[in-house]
Amino acid sequence: AQSVAQPEDQVNVAEGNPLTVKCTYSVSGNPYLFWYVQYPNRGLQFLLKYITGDNLVKGSYGFEAEFNKSQTSFHLKKPSALVSDSALYFCAVRALGASKIIFGSGTRLSIRP
Amino acid sequence: GAGVSQSPSNKVTEKGKDVELRCDPISGHTALYWYRQSLGQGLEFLIYFQGNSAPDKSGLPSDRFSAERTGGSVSTLTIQRTQQEDSAVYLCASSLEGRTDTQYFGPGTRLTVL
Repeated sequence: AQSVAQPEDQVNVAEGNPLTVKCTYSVSGNPYLFWYVQYPNRGLQFLLKYITGDNLVKGSYGFEAEFNKSQTSFHLKKPSALVSDSALYFCAVRALGASKIIFGSGTRLSIRP
Repeated sequence: GAGVSQSPSNKVTEKGKDVELRCDPISGHTALYWYRQSLGQGLEFLIYFQGNSAPDKSGLPSDRFSAERTGGSVSTLTIQRTQQEDSAVYLCASSLEGRTDTQYFGPGTRLTVL
């Protein structure tokens, strides 16, 4: 069975500081990994994905994530946070050959000025 | 271009009534998903359609829930005999083929069961 965990319900960061939103996963075989963001009163938007190749994936709005197979992690990072990054972030995983994608419970990111 | 659209945006119904939620995916997208997002919760997978293949219904919480996709395009999620615990935001997403492609989400339908 595949699963994904976001261990932090909330992450608080000061504007300008680096941010990390954690994600770990469990699948059989190679995973496909995704990050989505949900801004207040708006739908989910795609940020980035890892399918194969380079472990460091760059996405929208300056975000990046690193696939770490040994630690089964796919943490989301940004070097310098903006207040406008405040939103709900979801990690998702699909196993190779699986038909459905499983989402984590979400992490609320709050950036203070 | 047009994104994924869902209707209605809000639905208030009485316990025991049936409701239908509609999703119009992006034209040309063969994969369509339904999710449920309860207040303060993550996304719960409900059902997945891919082309002409049999849908993956493994996420449907009970036999009161059903979904169909006509002509490989529009999808309808039906909840029969609604219960208060069915109150949630129901999200639809589509993608080009399904397995590795990005999902594009609709704005959701907020269902409130009184």
